[in-house]
Parts: sequence; C-alpha cells; structure tokens
Amino acid sequence: AVQLVESGGGLVQPKESLKISCAASGFTFSNAAMYWVRQAPGKGLEWVARIRTKPNNYATYYADSVKGRFTISRDDSKSMVYLQMDNLKTEDTAMYYCTSYYGYSPFDYWGQGVMVTVSS
Amino acid sequence: DVVMTQTPVSLSVSLGGQVSISCRSSQSLVHNNGNTYLSWYLQKPGQSPQLLIYKVSNRFSGISDRFSGSGSGTDFTLKISRVEPDDLGVYYCGQGTQYPYTFGAGTKLELK
Repeated sequence: AVQLVESGGGLVQPKESLKISCAASGFTFSNAAMYWVRQAPGKGLEWVARIRTKPNNYATYYADSVKGRFTISRDDSKSMVYLQMDNLKTEDTAMYYCTSYYGYSPFDYWGQGVMVTVSS
Repeated sequence: DVVMTQTPVSLSVSLGGQVSISCRSSQSLVHNNGNTYLSWYLQKPGQSPQLLIYKVSNRFSGISDRFSGSGSGTDFTLKISRVEPDDLGVYYCGQGTQYPYTFGAGTKLELK
C-alpha cells in the first residue's frame, strides 16, 4: 500500500529555519511528482510546492507566499522528499502534508501531516 | 490565481439522504493537454484529506459509487447518495490545472 510519512516538524522562532521530510513507500517513487500542501489551524488547504520527476528535470514550483524562502527537493534513491523552510514567519504555522501525483491526479495520496509552529 | 468557490459552506443531512456540493472556478480548468484537473477531497475529523474524485468524474481507488462527480469548464458538482456516518467531515474541491494550485474553502457535512 502507498504510504507517505512526514517527519521533522516542531516549534521554531520567527526567522529560523526548519527542514521537514517525507518518506514514501509502496509505489515507484521516481515516477511520481511530489507536493507539499499546508493547512493552518482551523483553516483550509493551501498548496505550497511541487517537484517533478527526473525526465522533467526535477522542475520545482512554489506558491508566492513561500517563494524565495522554501525549497523542495527529492532523493529518488531514498524515496524521500524534503521541504527546507528558511526565514520562517508566524503565518507559516500549519500542518504540512506530503502528497503525490502518481497516475491519478495532483494530490492523489496524502501523508498524515507534520505540525510546524512558528512562534516567539 | 484561480479562485475556487464552494457552496454551501455547511450541509445538514439525514443518514441515507442525498446531498450535492457545488464548486465553481474563476477560470476554465481545461488543461492544455485536454484534461480537466478538478478533484474532490474529504477530510474527516482529525485526519488528513483523502482523494475521492479526480478529473471531474473519476472515482479514486476504493471509493464507493455513492460518490459521483460531474461538470465541465468552470462548474462542478459532487453528489453523495445514501449518506453514511463515515461520510461526515469537510469536503474540498481543488484544481491542479493552473499554478498556483488552489482549493475551495470547504463544505462541512454534518448530521441533521
């Protein structure tokens, strides 16, 4: 079965950095585009970033709200996707979900999420 | 950005009943490749979202045929028939056609 397991969340202060990870299993990871989607407490869903596959040159895309501060990356040899978050702001506080595009549509499979809290 | 407008904000339903949720996009969701990347998700309390319907009307693996999606262009509908207790939660529509990908604000389905 497809599994996406996020890790690395926590409490950080504004302007600090944090890197969250997602371990994938149960599918051919290298064939899947990967995404991060976040959800602030009590709010809706916000797409954050996308990384494509090797044949698509691992192209990356970002929401304007995180462009220049967040970096998505992947390691196909480890079936991992990462989100490096720099210069964090209080408004980045959210549950961050790792999600995929594996044959169906963007956001077909979802992890359980990892909480990131930015507060002084 | 493509704005996704979901209505209603909340719905009360009796078990065994039927409901419809509307989702309208501010721009056409037809991709250059001819596909329409409009999906529906359910987020049950305390859980992550799960895909129900993709590309307007295709049920995801393991999803009951009580869920059906329809629509085209900018106007889409999710119908749920014979509502069961496990169907309760917040439903989101989302588009994966244009960057930035966007979601509706959600429709909360509750028991009457």
